[in-house]
Order: sequence, then structure tokens, then C-alpha cells
Amino acid sequence: GQQLNQSPQSMFIQEGEDVSMNCTSSSIFNTWLWYKQDPGEGPVLLIALYKAGELTSNGRLTAQFGITRKDSFLNISASIPSDVGIYFCAGSGSSNTGKLIFGQGTTLQVKP
Amino acid sequence: DAGVIQSPRHEVTEMGQEVTLRCKPISGHDYLFWYRQTMMRGLELLIYFNNNVPIDDSGMPEDRFSAKMPNASFSTLKIQPSEPRDSAVYFCASRASGSTYEQYFGPGTRLTVT
Repeated sequence: GQQLNQSPQSMFIQEGEDVSMNCTSSSIFNTWLWYKQDPGEGPVLLIALYKAGELTSNGRLTAQFGITRKDSFLNISASIPSDVGIYFCAGSGSSNTGKLIFGQGTTLQVKP
Repeated sequence: DAGVIQSPRHEVTEMGQEVTLRCKPISGHDYLFWYRQTMMRGLELLIYFNNNVPIDDSGMPEDRFSAKMPNASFSTLKIQPSEPRDSAVYFCASRASGSTYEQYFGPGTRLTVT
């Protein structure tokens, strides 16, 4: 079945630094989504991508849909303490089942 | 607009007891998903509904788990009997039909089975 590999598993950075994380799929995806989960809360949708090569920003966050359609990247610029949380990528392939496949998550910690 | 609503937020029960988790999806959304999240296994899809009909329940771990969606605004996930290994955070998510796959999650129910 479809699998997503998300990396890195965790990051510990200094406030103000930029952050990059990525997801790769074993098969082609038609949609990539990025979520953030704060402690004790549900995942919140940050960015949605629908076309290969698409680059979309949401404030300090920028995500890209890889040209091969098998990967996606999320960048956070000038990190701040409230960026702390777990970031998940999710995707949907060509089977059109309505389901999302989720990555394992990247835990981000920001040192003030 | 109200997001996905789940209740209770926390549930502590003893092994063998029946547990019922509740979800109200976003109004107008045709799809409803139940997930379970644990440290070991991450976020797992248990079952999802489209227009109140169960479409895929292949993620439901055992016969002890059952889910219903009697109408477009309400769904339940029931565990009977509960076991300590069922301890996890259970999320409900919903999405609208169409070409996008954007799912919106509720705040989750943290279940502890002792």
C-alpha cells in the first residue's frame, strides 16, 4: 500500500532560524496537505497543494508540491516559540478512495 | 463557523466497560473519518463514512469496535468491552465532497482504560 516517509522525525532549533521538513511517497500523489498539531489538540490544516510544482505560502510557511508528485516540502521562516508542535504531511493518490495517508510527523521544538 | 465537535474530551474507564465517543461534523460536510493516535502507531484511520454510509472500515482493529452515523450531523464510535490497549486519542474529522481532500479535525477524545 501507499506509504509516506516524513523527515526529520524531530528538530530542536533556535528562535529565528528557518526550518525545512519533507515527505516522500512510494507512489504518485494528487494532493498534498500539511497539518500542525499543538499539544492536546487536533491537527489543524496549514496548507493544501493540488498541482505538481505548486508553491504556496501561508504567512511564514511555504510548501511545495514536488515535480515528481512523490514528494512535498514545508519550510518555516524565522521560527518563533509558538511554532512548537508536530507537523504532519498527508496525501491522497490516484485511487480516489477519499482517504488521506499521513506521515509519521516532525516534532519541532524552538528554543527562545 | 463551528468546527468538528467531539465529546467527551477526556474519558477514563475501567477495563471491560463500554465506551462511546461522539462526533458532530462540520455542517454540509459529506465525509466523516474516525482516527486513533498513539505514540507507537501514529495517526491511524479506523473507518470513514460518505453520506452516512460506512465506506471503509478496514482500520477497525477488532469486533469490539463499532461505528455508526445515523444522520449527517452525528456519529459514534463504540468500544465494547474496552481494554487498556485501547488507550489513545481518538479524532473525528470531516470534509466536503468535491475534488479537494481537505479534512478538518476535531479536538479529540483522550481515552484512558485502566
